[in-house]
Amino acid sequence: AQSVAQPEDQVNVAEGNPLTVKCTYSVSGNPYLFWYVQYPNRGLQFLLKYITGDNLVKGSYGFEAEFNKSQTSFHLKKPSALVSDSALYFCAVREGTGGFKTIFGAGTRLFVKA
Amino acid sequence: GAGVSQSPRYKVAKRGQDVALRCDPISGHVSLFWYQQALGQGPEFLTYFQNEAQLDKSGLPSDRFFAERPEGSVSTLKIQRTQQEDSAVYLCASSPNPNLAKNIQYFGAGTRLSVL
Repeated sequence: AQSVAQPEDQVNVAEGNPLTVKCTYSVSGNPYLFWYVQYPNRGLQFLLKYITGDNLVKGSYGFEAEFNKSQTSFHLKKPSALVSDSALYFCAVREGTGGFKTIFGAGTRLFVKA
Repeated sequence: GAGVSQSPRYKVAKRGQDVALRCDPISGHVSLFWYQQALGQGPEFLTYFQNEAQLDKSGLPSDRFFAERPEGSVSTLKIQRTQQEDSAVYLCASSPNPNLAKNIQYFGAGTRLSVL
């Protein structure tokens, strides 16, 4: 069965510092991995995805994520955090054989302090 | 509009009432998903449509939940005899084509259902 773990409920960073939001996954086949961000009273917005190829994926708003197959991880990173990055971040996985279901993690709330 | 639209944004129901939640996907999007997001949790898959065909309804929690997309565009999620545990945000998402695994999903803002 597919599953996603986001071990941190909340991450606090100072503006200008690098940030990491952690995600580990479990899937029987090849994983398709996604990060979405949710702002208050807004729907989830796509940030980036890993399908195949380079393990380092670059996405919207300066975010990037590194796929690590041996550690089954897909951590979200940004070199320099902005206050406006404060939001709820969700990691998601879908099995690459074309299944319909996307499994989301419970989310990590990011606070960036000025 | 350009995005996924959901209505109503907020719905308060008395326990036992039936509710209907509407989703207008992005025009031309073949795939449509419904999710349930409980407070403090990530979205949980409910059901999937490809055009008008409901190809997966394995996530619907009980037979009180019913979804339809009769013309392959607008979709309605219906909950009969609502119960307090149905209180959640219901999210709709659409994707442009049936190559599901690679596609990103475009989400609506959701309908927040509160059952009293």
